[in-house]
Parts: sequence; structure tokens; C-alpha cells
Amino acid sequence: EPEVTQTPSHQVTQMGQEVILRCVPISNHLYFYWYRQILGQKVEFLVSFYNNEISEKSEIFDDQFSVERPDGSNFTLKIRSTKLEDSAMYFCASADQNTGELFFGEGSRLTVL
Amino acid sequence: QKEVEQDPGPLSVPEGAIVSLNCTYSNSAFQYFMWYRQYSRKGPELLMYTYSSGNKEDGRFTAQVDKSSKYISLFIRDSQPSDSATYLCAQGPGGGADGLTFGKGTHLIIQP
Repeated sequence: EPEVTQTPSHQVTQMGQEVILRCVPISNHLYFYWYRQILGQKVEFLVSFYNNEISEKSEIFDDQFSVERPDGSNFTLKIRSTKLEDSAMYFCASADQNTGELFFGEGSRLTVL
Repeated sequence: QKEVEQDPGPLSVPEGAIVSLNCTYSNSAFQYFMWYRQYSRKGPELLMYTYSSGNKEDGRFTAQVDKSSKYISLFIRDSQPSDSATYLCAQGPGGGADGLTFGKGTHLIIQP
């Protein structure tokens, strides 16, 4: 069964460092997303991406964040200068354009020290 | 405003019981409603989605939307210990381009 895969599963970094989280969406999906979930809190929308550009972004997705689809398979989230409050689980998702159903990866846990 | 409210629980019921999970939403414009199940330290897994009002059934699960009261429900019949998880309701415009708004999730415990 096709699935969304994410790497790394866990990353520990120092405050101020750059982090790149990687995702391989389901191959025939065209819509891609990043969400985050701070421990004990809601799953929050960060950004959606379609046709090689950002479709929508939340207020969380400020200038420290960027997304890229560098090749035909990967979808990355970059945090330029991490802050303590960026510690969270980051989920990548892709959507079936016919049904709109979102399929999530297992997440990348980011810990900022 | 895009708010989805959900009682975080925990909700603990004995095995075999009927479970009722509920959410309220504020944005009337968005017509797609989803229920996701999330096991600890895993990504959300889509259980069911419905469009507009009405009921949708899939095995032991029934999703219900009441647009007049802005209320969405998930019923689980013959609950099993393996149903123990956090259940997230979500609302979205559909079509894929825009993100979903999630509730906080209800932690469900099915006691064997």
C-alpha cells in the first residue's frame, strides 16, 4: 500500500541551527502539506503546496520556514534558524486530488535545545 | 474563523460498548469533515470523511454531520481494545489545495 515516508524520524538540534525535514509523498498525489503537533496540542496546518508553489500558509509559517520540491519525489521543510518553540512533531501529508483525502506520514520529531 | 472544538477526554469505556465522539465547528463555508485516528507517536490515519450533512457508515464506524447545530459525530459500535487511540476530527474546504483544521483530539481508552 502506498504511503508517505518521512526522514529523519527524530532530530535533535541546537537553537539557531538550520533543519531540513524530508518527505516522499505518495507518487500520484499532487497536493502536499506540512503540519505540526506540539506535544499535547492540536495538529496545526503549516503550508500546502501545489504545482511547485505554495497554495496556502498559516500564520505559523513565517520567514523562518520554507518548502521545496527539489526533484520529482522529495518534498522538504526547512527551518532556517530554529527556536525552542519549534520543538514538535512535523507531519508531511499528500492528498488524492480526486477525493481530497489526506494521507499522513509517521512524522519527524524535532527537539530544539 | 476556522475553529474545531473537541473534548480531549480521556474517554474510557468497556470493550463492546458503543462510543460516541463529538466535535463542533464554527466555519459554515467548509463542507468536508473527516475523522482521523492517531496512535501514540504515529501520524494521523484517515478513518472516514463526509461531505455536507448526513450519515456515512463503514463497518463498525458511523460518521454523522448536523449542519444546523454545527456538530459532527463518530460512533464506534462493538468497541475493541485496538480502537484505543486519539480520534481527531477535521474540517476542510475539499479539493486538496487548502489545509484542514483539526480538533485537539479525544483520547479514547477501551478497557478489555
